[in-house]
Amino acid sequence: SAVISQKPSRDICQRGTSLTIQCQVDSQVTMMFWYRQQPGQSLTLIATANQGSEATYESGFVIDKFPISRPNLTFSTLTVSNMSPEDSSIYLCSVQPGYGDTQYFGPGTRLTVL
Amino acid sequence: GDSVTQMEGPVTLSEEAFLTINCTYTATGYPSLFWYVQYPGEGLQLLLKATKADDKGSNKGFEATYRKETTSFHLEKGSVQVSDSAVYFCALSEIATNAGKSTFGDGTTLTVKP
Repeated sequence: SAVISQKPSRDICQRGTSLTIQCQVDSQVTMMFWYRQQPGQSLTLIATANQGSEATYESGFVIDKFPISRPNLTFSTLTVSNMSPEDSSIYLCSVQPGYGDTQYFGPGTRLTVL
Repeated sequence: GDSVTQMEGPVTLSEEAFLTINCTYTATGYPSLFWYVQYPGEGLQLLLKATKADDKGSNKGFEATYRKETTSFHLEKGSVQVSDSAVYFCALSEIATNAGKSTFGDGTTLTVKP
């Protein structure tokens, strides 16, 4: 199993600013992901965070808007850049120890953009 | 590609009622199947899983059986409690496709009334 922490747990931000969310895992895991979940809705995968290389983004998400760092196998950051109210959402970090394995999720970061 | 279809919600039940949440999937190979639960204000956590056909996953009174012939993994509980109120996600993870990432259903919100 894996235990994941995220910071901050919530934030209220002004339009046009940026927020960086941190994700820390208690063990080394290759597969790490960032999701967005809007209230009452399903998960949307933003990107796979790759250690030592650029993240792999899903359709509709771009690096300029959601830059991701993954300096090692236990830590990653997601930045939400130039925020607008449409970015208000819950952002979830998760890891998957191997192909076909269980995913483990962080508690989420609840972002409100005014 | 892989996909997961869950019965649409929300679902509202009285305490001690029987619960079924339907889940069907499409996959090219032999996926592992999962049910995750998300309690209010928290991230997702694994509820149960099954890794091969005819396996039954169980936890906290919930059960689901991997039915390859009907490509289904329906979640059941004989007597729900108020504390079971949450969002339930069906998911699959396949080694050979989608870079091993998980595919999630849209989630089903369950509310149990006393």
